[in-house]
Amino acid sequence: SQQGEEDPQALSIQEGENATMNCSYKTSINNLQWYRQNSGRGLVHLILIRSNEREKHSGRLRVTLDTSKKSSSLLITASRAADTASYFCATASGPTGTASKLTFGTGTRLQVTL
Amino acid sequence: DTAVSQTPKYLVTQMGNDKSIKCEQNLGHDTMYWYKQDSKKFLKIMFSYNNKELIINETVPNRFSPKSPDKAHLNLHINSLELGDSAVYFCASRGGGGYGYTFGSGTRLTVV
Repeated sequence: SQQGEEDPQALSIQEGENATMNCSYKTSINNLQWYRQNSGRGLVHLILIRSNEREKHSGRLRVTLDTSKKSSSLLITASRAADTASYFCATASGPTGTASKLTFGTGTRLQVTL
Repeated sequence: DTAVSQTPKYLVTQMGNDKSIKCEQNLGHDTMYWYKQDSKKFLKIMFSYNNKELIINETVPNRFSPKSPDKAHLNLHINSLELGDSAVYFCASRGGGGYGYTFGSGTRLTVV
């Protein structure tokens, strides 16, 4: 079954605004990752947050993790048209090391307009 | 240089045919994966290999057979293709230390 559910499914904002996407998951995790997928392209890793971390920043990205609520959020500040893409959360679970597997959420389609 | 490369990028074939998708990574990673993305953008793991050894097999029909001749390559062979196999197939690799995955650009398979 699908591990993560993302909310909203689609988000449309204007350039310069902030975009917030949420992800909920069901089982215990080793870490949670966020990926971007431009239309017709592969997935690009954005940021990883470990289960013992609560917040992480990378450039215009801010990720939070609440393991008690089994949820995470991705905030993109000062959005740009180039941020238009689908964003997926993915949870790494199971045995650590080689047997760990990444399970993806349903994705949020972000549209940033000029 | 492309870190994870897949070929072909597009594959259109008739039902019942057998086809292969190739994947190569030049990152020196030990672990490689195949994921399937359906028309609703849902991504599901199919297989993972670590240093040529099968680690994860997510109850994929045995018409799908991965082969890893060395740790830099993970190919996917599909026998007796069915309409429901139409999807985008992504290869990915991962180094150690809990880092993110590096994905290829995908192979769009269309079965007609």
